[in-house]
Amino acid sequence: GESVGLHLPTLSVQEGDNSIINCAYSNSASDYFIWYKQESGKGPQFIIDIRSNMDKRQGQRVTVLLNKTVKHLSLQIAATQPGDSAVYFCAESGNKLVFGAGTILRVKS
Amino acid sequence: ETGVTQSPTHLIKTRGQQVTLRCSSQSGHNTVSWYQQALGQGPQFIFQYYREEENGRGNFPPRFSGLQFPNYSSELNVNALELDDSALYLCASSLDDPSYNEQFFGPGTRLTVL
Repeated sequence: GESVGLHLPTLSVQEGDNSIINCAYSNSASDYFIWYKQESGKGPQFIIDIRSNMDKRQGQRVTVLLNKTVKHLSLQIAATQPGDSAVYFCAESGNKLVFGAGTILRVKS
Repeated sequence: ETGVTQSPTHLIKTRGQQVTLRCSSQSGHNTVSWYQQALGQGPQFIFQYYREEENGRGNFPPRFSGLQFPNYSSELNVNALELDDSALYLCASSLDDPSYNEQFFGPGTRLTVL
């Protein structure tokens, strides 16, 4: 069946460092892959997405990389800030979103 | 522009009871999806409504049902509550279906079943 999973459940980084959050997916037919950020007490917030025919997409301080050969997705956050502390989910999309379990990002000041 | 809102924020029920959760879509959105998020896990797709019709369902039993109204607001109903139904229930709205469009999530309703 479909599944989207994450390699690391918790990631601790020093403020100002770069963060890399990884994700493995199994459904190679998905058209889009999305990263969401979820802060405590809130719903998931869209960060960035990438279409399956792309390898890389950049946003403000964030970059998503897609490796279809090994079905791997990563989110890179540059100059990580305390406000980046949250749970990060990757998801694959059709008319529904299939989420992974999440990675907790902790930013140390 | 008004974002996605959900009510109530928190809810406590006992086993066997029924519950109705409500969601108001973001302005202009005609598609609503519901997700269940257990503690420490990612959201799991329950079902989606597009222009008042169910448009896809996840692996949830029939006691999970929904409605979408002409103003595109939506309800999630759960009958015969079980302890494992305790979770955060998220509503997300988007514009048009079936192709991918960004889904905007509400803050969720925290349901506790005792």
